[in-house]
Amino acid sequence: QVRLVQSGAEVMKPGASVKLSCKASGYTFTTYYIHWLRQASGQGLEWMAIMNPSSGSTTYAQKFQGRVTMARETSTTTIYMELSSLRYEDTAVYYCARAHWAIAAASPTTPEFWGQGTLVTVSS
Amino acid sequence: EIVMTQSPATLSVSPGERATLSCRASQSVNSNLAWYQQKPGQAPRLLIYGASTRATNIPARFSGSGSGTEFTLTISSLQSEDFAIYYCHQYNTWYSFGQGTKLEI
Repeated sequence: QVRLVQSGAEVMKPGASVKLSCKASGYTFTTYYIHWLRQASGQGLEWMAIMNPSSGSTTYAQKFQGRVTMARETSTTTIYMELSSLRYEDTAVYYCARAHWAIAAASPTTPEFWGQGTLVTVSS
Repeated sequence: EIVMTQSPATLSVSPGERATLSCRASQSVNSNLAWYQQKPGQAPRLLIYGASTRATNIPARFSGSGSGTEFTLTISSLQSEDFAIYYCHQYNTWYSFGQGTKLEI
């Protein structure tokens, strides 16, 4: 079965960078896009970024341009998301999620399978 | 950015009743609209994609309709496990979510 397992909670200081991981299993890693999203406590969902694990190409939400970087390691089927210049308002649960349609479908696609989430707390 | 507006913010219903949740997009998203259910402490769960197609293992009491800018999620006969927050999500032009509708008893 499809499974996404994320790294553990992080406590970071303002201005620092955090790098989260998301290990995928149960499907062919390079055939589905991976999204990163976040959710502050009591708030809604916010889309951050997407990667094609086959090509490594990425697209970032304008809000996070210059601060977010996605990377992948195909040998370990792991996706990484690094967020830099952390602010208090970056405190949130961060989710990775696999897209519904395969990349080959060339169709707009929504996140289907989600990781368990990683809490990032920005605190001095 | 496409703004997604959900109504109502909170919907109070009883088990066995029908619930109708609405979602409006600030511009057309065609049928590229999904609905998610989220319970406290859990990741969102995909219910509906393509505006009206149920995701795998989603019960038939969940149905979606609409296209363009107006969408509806209907839960035909509420079960206790359906009380949660529901989000609509457009993936036609970039990605954006509604603010959620809390379904409560």
